[in-house]
Amino acid sequence: EVQLLESGGGLVQPGGSLRLSCAASGSTFRTYAMTWVRQAPGKGLEWVSSISSSASTTYYPYSVKGRFSISRDNSKNTLFLQMNSLRAEDTAVYYCATAIYNSGWYPFDSWGQGTLVTVSS
Amino acid sequence: QSVLTQPPSASGTPGQRVTISCSGGSSDIGSHYVFWYQQLPGTAPRLLIYRSDQRPSGVPDRFSGSKSGTSASLAISGLRSEDEADYYCAAWDDSLGDVIFGGGTKLTVL
Repeated sequence: EVQLLESGGGLVQPGGSLRLSCAASGSTFRTYAMTWVRQAPGKGLEWVSSISSSASTTYYPYSVKGRFSISRDNSKNTLFLQMNSLRAEDTAVYYCATAIYNSGWYPFDSWGQGTLVTVSS
Repeated sequence: QSVLTQPPSASGTPGQRVTISCSGGSSDIGSHYVFWYQQLPGTAPRLLIYRSDQRPSGVPDRFSGSKSGTSASLAISGLRSEDEADYYCAAWDDSLGDVIFGGGTKLTVL
């Protein structure tokens, strides 16, 4: 199991940008597909983005497609989420997690503790 | 509004068996595996069940999952106080092209 630690959250104005990072421990990071999931305050879970282990393929739901970009640096054991054109409804705790593929990418058995993104003027 | 429907709350007493339902349609649960997650208060979610009825290592066998048609269920037997948490189901939806989550069920251990 890999240990994950998110960073980069904070307060940003509507229309602004933010880049989240997820640092992974161990040498097995490169073997895992990864995903971002978010949770608005007091609300449920929402899938945000996923990326294959080699970074050759990325996936986004309609709600963030064209605004968010997922990437990874396997040499540095780090996952990223670049968020642009942020809206108030993007306010949430963002979790990174390992992912498993079954028709779609589901968060699997390792999760970070989450980082809070607040979009407000 | 979630496409997967869960009861907002459930409850049970210690030692009891409780079941949490997740209702969907032909384009999601009816065609794909269901995953279940547990979120203890103030913590990150944790995977409980994958591929409808498989438990990851470390998850007690008190937790079990099943699927029938367009519905799925999570059963917790021998209920304990530490099971008090929010529980979410998830499935791929062909219509949306997304992994979708249920709205969550808050389990209270009385």
